[in-house]
Amino acid sequence: DIQMTQSPPSLSASLGDKVTITCQTSQNINKYIAWYQQKPGKAPRLLIGFTSRLVSGIPSRFSGSGSGRDYSFSISNVESEDIASYYCLQYDNSPWTFGGGTKLELK
Amino acid sequence: EVQLVESGGGLVQPGASLKLSCVASGFTFSDYWMSWVRQTPGKTMEWIGDIKYDGSYTNYAPSLKNRFTISRDNAKSTLYLQMSNVRSEDTATYYCTRDPTNWELGVMDAWGQGASVTVSS
Repeated sequence: DIQMTQSPPSLSASLGDKVTITCQTSQNINKYIAWYQQKPGKAPRLLIGFTSRLVSGIPSRFSGSGSGRDYSFSISNVESEDIASYYCLQYDNSPWTFGGGTKLELK
Repeated sequence: EVQLVESGGGLVQPGASLKLSCVASGFTFSDYWMSWVRQTPGKTMEWIGDIKYDGSYTNYAPSLKNRFTISRDNAKSTLYLQMSNVRSEDTATYYCTRDPTNWELGVMDAWGQGASVTVSS
């Protein structure tokens, strides 16, 4: 299985900050990484696919980048509605595997 | 509107079996691969497996392959997860998800609300 090392596990930000989450994979995943947002009590929601493809309707303050084994996800100008947990997922190789998650909180 | 609605969760004893269902609406169910994902109480996410749009192929996480079976009934727009010989570590919220045909749009682009399964005596 491909291991996903997501960091940091938690993040504290002020409104308007830029935050970045990283995922390092145990092998090259050819950019097949997706990012999900999960709010308390809700199902996850796909934000970004294939490293940087923003899902329709998702604000442009969300972005993703990376290649090979190193990937990142950023939120510029954090808004209150962005307070949630975020997960990366590799879907290059079966079994698909998730990162451990990052909980974004307000400072 | 795309909707996925899971049912069948609850409290189950260790060693028992349980079948979850997921009814889809708002899209042509038979056009899509579908997956099951679970999230433990500690928030760990685990992909369980997926099934081809026509039901002819399934793929599982190796650790679950011997106990979990995914199936579908396209006439009923329903996805199933049969769980057997359940263990305490199967306690989780189970989600059904839809997979786009174009992976460059990502995967699991729609999720159900989740079905809670608790394994305990």
